[in-house]
Amino acid sequence: KAGVTQTPRYLIKTRGQQVTLSCSPISGHRSVSWYQQTPGQGLQFLFEYFSETQRNKGNFPGRFSGRQFSNSRSEMNVSTLELGDSALYLCASRKTGTLDEQYFGPGTRLTVT
Amino acid sequence: AQSVTQPDIHITVSEGASLELRCNYSYGATPYLFWYVQSPGQGLQLLLKYFSGDTLVQGIKGFEAEFKRSQSSFNLRKPSVHWSDAAEYFCGEVTGGGNKLTFGTGTQLKVEL
Repeated sequence: KAGVTQTPRYLIKTRGQQVTLSCSPISGHRSVSWYQQTPGQGLQFLFEYFSETQRNKGNFPGRFSGRQFSNSRSEMNVSTLELGDSALYLCASRKTGTLDEQYFGPGTRLTVT
Repeated sequence: AQSVTQPDIHITVSEGASLELRCNYSYGATPYLFWYVQSPGQGLQLLLKYFSGDTLVQGIKGFEAEFKRSQSSFNLRKPSVHWSDAAEYFCGEVTGGGNKLTFGTGTQLKVEL
C-alpha cells in the first residue's frame, strides 16, 4: 500500500507570494492533518480535515488555509508569504478516529526568500 | 496548557549501550501517547503508541516505552542501540478532542561507534 505522498518536495518562493502544497493520503484514509516544523517552534499542528470538513485548527493566522477533496486528497495554501513561513510542512493521514495512528508523508520543504 | 515535554535536547550514546529518552505529558487523564522517529530529510515514522492496557508497550525496531501515570511520563527505551538509530525522536500526545497531535520539542540522538 502506498504511503502518504506530498508534492512538491521542495519549493522556493518570494516574500509576498502565495503557495499551494498538496497531500495524497493512504488509500482508505479519510482524515488529513497538516503540521509545520521549524527549528525554533518545533512541530506545530495547523489543521485537520475529515470528509472535506475542517475538524480542528491550530493557532495560525488566516493566511494559512486548507481544503480537502472528495477523494480525501488535501491542499494547504499560504498567502502573502513571510520569511518566517520557511519550514517543513508535513501531512499526515489516518483512517478516521482518535485511536487511529497518523502516518506522515516526507514533507514539503518551503523556503521563502 | 496542554504540553509535552522532552527534557533532553541532545543525547549521545555508544553503539550497543542502552537508551532511555524521557517524555512527560500533561493533557489528559486518559492520555493517548505516541513516539515517532524522524531521520534527516524524512517524515515521521511511528515507533509505538499507548492508549490503554499494559503500561509497557512494544514497538518497532526493538523500542519499548513505559507509561507511568504517577509520574506523567512515557519514556522510550532500547536495550542496545545501533548506529542506524541516530535520528530525532518525538513524543506526542493526542489533544484537541482527539483530532491533533501535540509534540514535544524532540530529542536528537547521536550514536558513537
